[in-house]
Amino acid sequence: GDSVTQTEGLVTLTKGLPVMLNCTYQTTYSPFLFWYVQHLNEAPKLLLKSSTDNKRTEHQGFYATLHKSSSSFHLQKSSVQLSDSALYFCALSDWGSALGRLHFGAGTQLIVIP
Amino acid sequence: AQTIHQWPVAEIKAVGSPLSLGCTIKGKSSPNLYWYWQATGGTLQQLFYSITVGQVESVVQLNLSASRPKDDQFILSTEKLLLSHSGFYLCAWSPPGQGRNERLFFGHGTKLSVL
Repeated sequence: GDSVTQTEGLVTLTKGLPVMLNCTYQTTYSPFLFWYVQHLNEAPKLLLKSSTDNKRTEHQGFYATLHKSSSSFHLQKSSVQLSDSALYFCALSDWGSALGRLHFGAGTQLIVIP
Repeated sequence: AQTIHQWPVAEIKAVGSPLSLGCTIKGKSSPNLYWYWQATGGTLQQLFYSITVGQVESVVQLNLSASRPKDDQFILSTEKLLLSHSGFYLCAWSPPGQGRNERLFFGHGTKLSVL
């Protein structure tokens, strides 16, 4: 079945350094991938989404490229800020089931330190 | 603008007691509605979804039930809470008819502690 894997549970970085949060997926259908971000005590919010192979999508300094050849949709930022500390979820839209069925990864907690 | 409101913000309940959580969406007709459950710092697990009044589909079986009594209201409930029900419950909506690329808009959630 469809699934999403985020390999890092926790990433701790110093402010100003680059970050890459890994996301790989498995599906037998054409993939539609999302990144959601959840700050402490807040609701998750959409950060990025894509279904286009090899096209970079960007928002708020974050970017990701869907690579169907490697089933990946890694999230990157060139210089992290303290305000980027949050829980990041990669999600895959389930083509085979109901509207809005998203398979979420386990999440990666990003902590940015001064 | 659309707004989503969840109530209560937090609940502390005893094992075996009943529960009712609510969610209201204003400013959008016929939204798709969802309930998600999140363990502390954990992933988001979809519980239920609804595309219209009176119609609710269950995604996972966790001894919970959901109902959509009005177009803008989604209720999550159980008659008997278990310790495993503790966590964060998030209501979400998406615009009708968008298909697979639809984004979800989440409410701020209800923190449930079962003791």
